Amino acid sequence: RKEVEQDPGPFNVPEGATVAFNCTYSNSASQSFFWYRQDCRKEPKLLMSVYSSGNEDGRFTAQLNRASQYISLLIRDSKLSDSATYLCVVNLRDDKIIFGKGTRLHILP
Amino acid sequence: EAQVTQNPRYLITVTGKKLTVTCSQNMNHEYMSWYRQDPGLGLRQIYYSMNVEVTDKGDVPEGYKVSRKEKRNFPLILESPSPNQTSLYFCASSLGLVGSNQPQHFGDGTRLSIL
Repeated sequence: RKEVEQDPGPFNVPEGATVAFNCTYSNSASQSFFWYRQDCRKEPKLLMSVYSSGNEDGRFTAQLNRASQYISLLIRDSKLSDSATYLCVVNLRDDKIIFGKGTRLHILP
Repeated sequence: EAQVTQNPRYLITVTGKKLTVTCSQNMNHEYMSWYRQDPGLGLRQIYYSMNVEVTDKGDVPEGYKVSRKEKRNFPLILESPSPNQTSLYFCASSLGLVGSNQPQHFGDGTRLSIL
């Protein structure tokens, strides 16, 4: 099993729809989880941290399921500007961090 | 403004000609890291540093060197670049150990082409 795995997509979603994608991780001792957004040829930017209790930031909701070892990202009322690649990031131990290969999202007008 | 600055942003060079990509952060971050990003492979860590004079190999360290003489700077050195090192490189920093739930802040990236 890969350390961090994401569906590469692309997810083609009409504007205004809700979209969700997951990221699975293999190490049950993983401690920290993040979602980053990366636009084409740009640097990754932190979208949100993922907390055990789940967290919400506007249209974005992140959740952690430790029992099944995955994190999820839900985007409600999607906008054209949400089109990007979403990277899942998992800390495996204190000095090791792994990026997923990303899920491409295209919001269609 | 808090930022991670990489230079150069773009570089085309030839095989075997030593080059250095600089990275500087003004946030007093302890942890710094270099990644390369290639199509289909995602971001892969080259080297990281937990503090001054403390560096360690990431997943793909071959052909690279780093140094951390000062907290703010973490240069990436290619002693003898080869075409397989053509890639998009990112420097990143974070306040503390990643286990402390500190996210990483990325530089704008450096696109290297080795001919």
